[in-house]
Amino acid sequence: AQSVTQLDSQVPVFEEAPVELRCNYSSSVSVYLFWYVQYPNQGLQLLLKYLSGSTLVESINGFEAEFNKSQTSFHLRKPSVHISDTAEYFCAVSETGFQKLVFGTGTRLLVSP
Amino acid sequence: NAGVMQNPRHLVRRRGQEARLRCSPMKGHSHVYWYRQLPEEGLKFMVYLQKENIIDESGMPKERFSAEFPKEGPSILRIQQVVRGDSAAYFCASSPLGTPQETQYFGPGTRLLVL
Repeated sequence: AQSVTQLDSQVPVFEEAPVELRCNYSSSVSVYLFWYVQYPNQGLQLLLKYLSGSTLVESINGFEAEFNKSQTSFHLRKPSVHISDTAEYFCAVSETGFQKLVFGTGTRLLVSP
Repeated sequence: NAGVMQNPRHLVRRRGQEARLRCSPMKGHSHVYWYRQLPEEGLKFMVYLQKENIIDESGMPKERFSAEFPKEGPSILRIQQVVRGDSAAYFCASSPLGTPQETQYFGPGTRLLVL
């Protein structure tokens, strides 16, 4: 069975500092990997996803994530965060051939001035 | 193009009552997924439906919970005889083709509070 681990429940950081949100997964088969962001009282929005090909994927707002198969990780990074990045970030995985997403418990990113 | 719509956004029920949660997928999407988010936890898959068919209900509790996606109208998640442990945010997502690599588009959720 698949599982996703987000070890950090909360990450405080100052504005313009770099940040890394960690995600590790376990699965016995090939997977697709996703990062979703949830702002307060809203639904989830896709940030970026890895399906195949280049292991480095980028979003339009400066986030990037790298798929590392040997370490079964898909960490999310941003070189310089903004106040508006304050939100909850969820890592998710789906096995090829199955539609359901398995989510981690989320990491709350708190950006302060 | 309107996004995934869910209503009501907030629902309060007393123990033993029924809760009906509605989800209208994005235009052109015929695949709907329901997830539940308990306080301080991630989302947990409940059920995956296509029009008039339940494809995967492996995450649905065995009793009191049911889901449907009729040919016409929204998808409905129904919880009978609610208990306090049902208090959670229920999210609906939709996708056009139902393939694993597709993006699932999420609605704003229904927050259910059971008194």
